[in-house]
Order: sequence, then C-alpha cells, then structure tokens
Amino acid sequence: ETGVTQTPRHLVMGMTNKKSLKCEQHLGHNAMYWYKQSAKKPLELMFVYSLEERVENNSVPSRFSPECPNSSHLFLHLHTLQPEDSALYLCASSQERGARTGELFFGEGSRLTVL
Amino acid sequence: ILNVEQSPQSLHVQEGDSTNFTCSFPSSNFYALHWYRWETAKSPEALFVMTLNGDEKKKGRISATLNTKEGYSYLYIKGSQPEDSATYLCASRQTGANNLFFGTGTRLTVIP
Repeated sequence: ETGVTQTPRHLVMGMTNKKSLKCEQHLGHNAMYWYKQSAKKPLELMFVYSLEERVENNSVPSRFSPECPNSSHLFLHLHTLQPEDSALYLCASSQERGARTGELFFGEGSRLTVL
Repeated sequence: ILNVEQSPQSLHVQEGDSTNFTCSFPSSNFYALHWYRWETAKSPEALFVMTLNGDEKKKGRISATLNTKEGYSYLYIKGSQPEDSATYLCASRQTGANNLFFGTGTRLTVIP
C-alpha cells in the first residue's frame, strides 16, 4: 500500500463542471500539500495544511478550493475551471511543515484535463 | 520564490555509462537541498536530503554532493541502468522559509 493515495488518477471536465480531487495519507504526517505540475515548469506549491489548518495559499484562484477535514485527508474542489488549469496535480505530505530534513512523500498525481 | 535551476534539461546515455547533472540554487540563507527521483506514471520519491556544505550522500549507484558556498549540488549515477530512467528533481529551502522550491528537473533516459 502506497503512503499517499490520490484519486482519481485521470479527470476530464468541462469548464462548468464541479469536481473534486482526493488525497489520503497513511503515514501519520501532520502536513499536507497540493502542488501543480504544468509542462516544462517547476512544481508549483498551491496550498499547505499543517495540523488541519491552512497555512499557505500561494495566490491560487478561488476556482480551486482546498479542504482538509482531518490530518489524513485532503481535497481539492474544482469549479468553473479554465483550459489553462489542465495539469498534473500532486498531493504530498511530510511529518511536519518546514522541518529541515523533512522530505516530502508524494502521491502519483491526478491528471486533469479541462475542455 | 526561489530560483532553482537544473541542467541539462534532458539526457540520453547508454547502459553502463556514468553520468551526472547539476542543481543550482541561491547560496544565501541556504537551509536544505532535496533530490527526488520521479519515474513516469509513479510518484516522486526522495533520494537525498542534504544540509551541510561538503555533504556527500550515496544510495547504491547514485550519489550526491553539496556546495552551499557556491550554491550547487551534483547528482552522479554510476553504471547507468535502464531502470534509472526517470526525471530527477532537486528542491531547495531557505532559512526562515517553510517551503521547498523545485527546479524543472533533468529527464534521464538510459538506452539499453
């Protein structure tokens, strides 16, 4: 069983749809992250949750809405997206946010296509 | 935002060749440097986390060095194998900052 699980792996949606991405971690970590991977760009940090509290929102448009109901689950709610939002969305967790040697544990990503 | 650069962008080597690639990062306020290995259709996995100038770490045929004074890290792969084919990401963290900033990665293809 992988430590960080993301569903769905692939999602195609229209610009008027509402959908959600789900992330679950089984590692007992206290911090969870959403990253966006676009072609030929570095991983972009979108949101950070530490102990279920959102501690960072990197100027992400409001059409992306995160939710962290408990320390093991993280959601990214999507509505009225644009075609340029098509990307790979990666979830990650770490023992603590900002720890010097704290490595990130990633899920396999959700490939989103917005038509 | 921290400017982390990796080179080359992509690399093709023959099986058995040794190879290396570079990660450059701002040396001021350096805190930590991470290397991740990302195989296609899988999740990125941490290879090394380094914090001290002169650090050298090794995992099997893969090793990494760190120079925090000049702001670079090298990743070496000895005797490349097809299973080493992946994108190798580095990420840097500064003191007082909670977040890692990633480079765009080096995509390695090992030709059998």
